[in-house]
Amino acid sequence: DQQVKQNSPSLSVQEGRISILNCDYTNSMFDYFLWYKKYPAEGPTFLISISSIKDKNEDGRFTVFLNKSAKHLSLHIVPSQPGDSAVYFCAASISGTYKYIFGTGTRLKVLA
Amino acid sequence: KAGVTQTPRYLIKTRGQQVTLSCSPISGHRSVSWYQQTPGQGLQFLFEYFSETQRNKGNFPGRFSGRQFSNSRSEMNVSTLELGDSALYLCASGTGGSGNTIYFGEGSWLTVV
Repeated sequence: DQQVKQNSPSLSVQEGRISILNCDYTNSMFDYFLWYKKYPAEGPTFLISISSIKDKNEDGRFTVFLNKSAKHLSLHIVPSQPGDSAVYFCAASISGTYKYIFGTGTRLKVLA
Repeated sequence: KAGVTQTPRYLIKTRGQQVTLSCSPISGHRSVSWYQQTPGQGLQFLFEYFSETQRNKGNFPGRFSGRQFSNSRSEMNVSTLELGDSALYLCASGTGGSGNTIYFGEGSWLTVV
């Protein structure tokens, strides 16, 4: 039972344009969400988080949007840079469980 | 400050052997969790420790175990290794509160032959 889904295995975007990575979840109890990027042979690097009490959080070029009614979150990267090319994972957690459920990742390629 | 440190980075083991992986969390972090990443499976939660107590564990067989020491360092052990245990094992640390961000180490690549 895949509770967190990233339905797009890959995405290509031109440098300077917006990258939008999507994530859907099925469990309405999730109340904290994280985004990570991962380069090959490295551990995931934390990007940005959002709590279920918010619908938007920004940090520099990264913005995460949360739509609780649709059980959907998205990560926007503006402007996209070649160095952003990596695999992006979303993760969700329920308070008090101390574990995260991860999506299977979306490979982003930013074309120069 | 130093990030999460995992050792060893790479190792090869034979079926039936056992392996111990080590993790040192970010200074001040008291929560350590472990995840397994295999191709096509994303990251799967193994267990989480806080102040030497396991607070949650994932759906893995009993061959997978862990512990945390008083200095917050953690180890995980896999006994009677199987070919399917070949994976990247990732350790993450956090402050330990609900809804807290976790930060990953570089991982330990285990190959079982």
